[in-house]
Amino acid sequence: EADIYQTPRYLVIGTGKKITLECSQTMGHDKMYWYQQDPGMELHLIHYSYGVNSTEKGDLSSESTVSRIRTEHFPLTLESARPSHTSQYLCASSPLVGDQYFGPGTRLLVL
Amino acid sequence: GNSVTQMEGPVTLSEEAFLTINCTYTATGYPSLFWYVQYPGEGLQLLLKATKADDKGSNKGFEATYRKETTSFHLEKGSVQVSDSAVYFCALSRGGDDKIIFGKGTRLHILP
Repeated sequence: EADIYQTPRYLVIGTGKKITLECSQTMGHDKMYWYQQDPGMELHLIHYSYGVNSTEKGDLSSESTVSRIRTEHFPLTLESARPSHTSQYLCASSPLVGDQYFGPGTRLLVL
Repeated sequence: GNSVTQMEGPVTLSEEAFLTINCTYTATGYPSLFWYVQYPGEGLQLLLKATKADDKGSNKGFEATYRKETTSFHLEKGSVQVSDSAVYFCALSRGGDDKIIFGKGTRLHILP
């Protein structure tokens, strides 16, 4: 059973607010990822990290930022939320060699 | 570049019907192949995988065989249940620092 957690599960917030989506894993995985999932289901990689103090942008350009200060924690921040940021955000982790495990997701609605 | 193409949905079947969801890939080298499943309101879960040609991955009655000659990894189940209703993603990875590449997903509806 994978132990990867995301909070909040649902968030409704007004335009211009700063938000942080939390992601934590207790498996000691080096690699962590953030995906944005559009209503058509397709997954888009927006950020990834291969270890502490390592972060990279993914395939889809995003106005969000991430940090990796601790192995188990990979938060995603939007400095000023906009309606175009409305989406589902999925966090995942994996060991250096091995399968990816996903969290339950955060569904974000920006009004 | 590397890519995954899977059949578009939604796919609607009656309970106990036979299921096939097609997946083909383009990749250099010898990638590992995966099927992930996403149930409503949840994240993705690894359903099955195969790491080399002719390997068969299986789990929960689902099967897929790594066919290098046809670059395919079709998902099959002999008798689907209502509880199989979900979105299914085919994916590949070449391992190492390569990221997983996902298909666009196929939504499956099973009618009682």
